[in-house]
Amino acid sequence: AQKITQTQPGMFVQEKEAVTLDCTYDTSDPSYGLFWYKQPSSGEMIFLIYQGSYDQQNATEGRYSLNFQKARKSANLVISASQLGDSAMYFCAMRAQGAQKLVFGQGTRLTINP
Amino acid sequence: DSGVTQTPKHLITATGQRVTLRCSPRSGDLSVYWYQQSLDQGLQFLIQYYNGEERAKGNILERFSAQQFPDLHSELNLSSLELGDSALYFCASSAWTGGPGELFFGEGSRLTVL
Repeated sequence: AQKITQTQPGMFVQEKEAVTLDCTYDTSDPSYGLFWYKQPSSGEMIFLIYQGSYDQQNATEGRYSLNFQKARKSANLVISASQLGDSAMYFCAMRAQGAQKLVFGQGTRLTINP
Repeated sequence: DSGVTQTPKHLITATGQRVTLRCSPRSGDLSVYWYQQSLDQGLQFLIQYYNGEERAKGNILERFSAQQFPDLHSELNLSSLELGDSALYFCASSAWTGGPGELFFGEGSRLTVL
C-alpha cells in the first residue's frame, strides 16, 4: 500500500523567505513518481513539480525544487523567495508504477506574511 | 488552465436528489480520474477510466456511478444524496494509465447538499 504523510498542518512564513514543506512516503514499489500540487483558495489543483524514483537529480521548476532523499523516503518541496501568491494548500502525492491512482497526503496550509 | 473542463462549477441540491457531474479531459488524454475532497477526508480517489473502460475503483459509494463515453468525456452520477456528500469533486486526466505521469486537474465541481 502507498501512503503519504505531511506532518505540517500549517506554516507561516515571511515574504521573500525560503520555505520547506515536508513530505514522507511509504511504498514497496521500486518505481514510483512523487508530485506536489498547489490548491489556492479558489479550489483548483495546480501541478507544481514531479520527481521519478530513478531520477538522479532533484527536480526543479522555477522557484520550486524537490529535495528527494530516497533512503529516507522523503520528498520535501522547497519554495525559494516566497511570494504572497504562494499562500495556499500544498499537497504531496505519489503513484507507484502500475498503480492507477494518485495517493495524496493531508496537505499543508502555507501562509505568506507581508 | 489545465485543459480539463468540469461542469457545473457549483451545485446546490437537496438530500435524496440525484446530480450528474461532467468532465472533459485534456485533448488526447485517455485516462479520467474522479476524486472527492471533503474537509475531514482530504482527497479521496473514487474511480478511474481508461479509453472507456473502468480501470480502478477507490472509495466510491454504491450510490455513485461513473462512465466514460466514446468521445472520452466522463460523467459522475451521485444519487440519493446525503448531507455528507457535500464536497469538491475533481476530475483529472492523464495520457496514460499506470504510468508515472502527472494528473491534470479540472477546477472542480463544488456540491452542496442541503
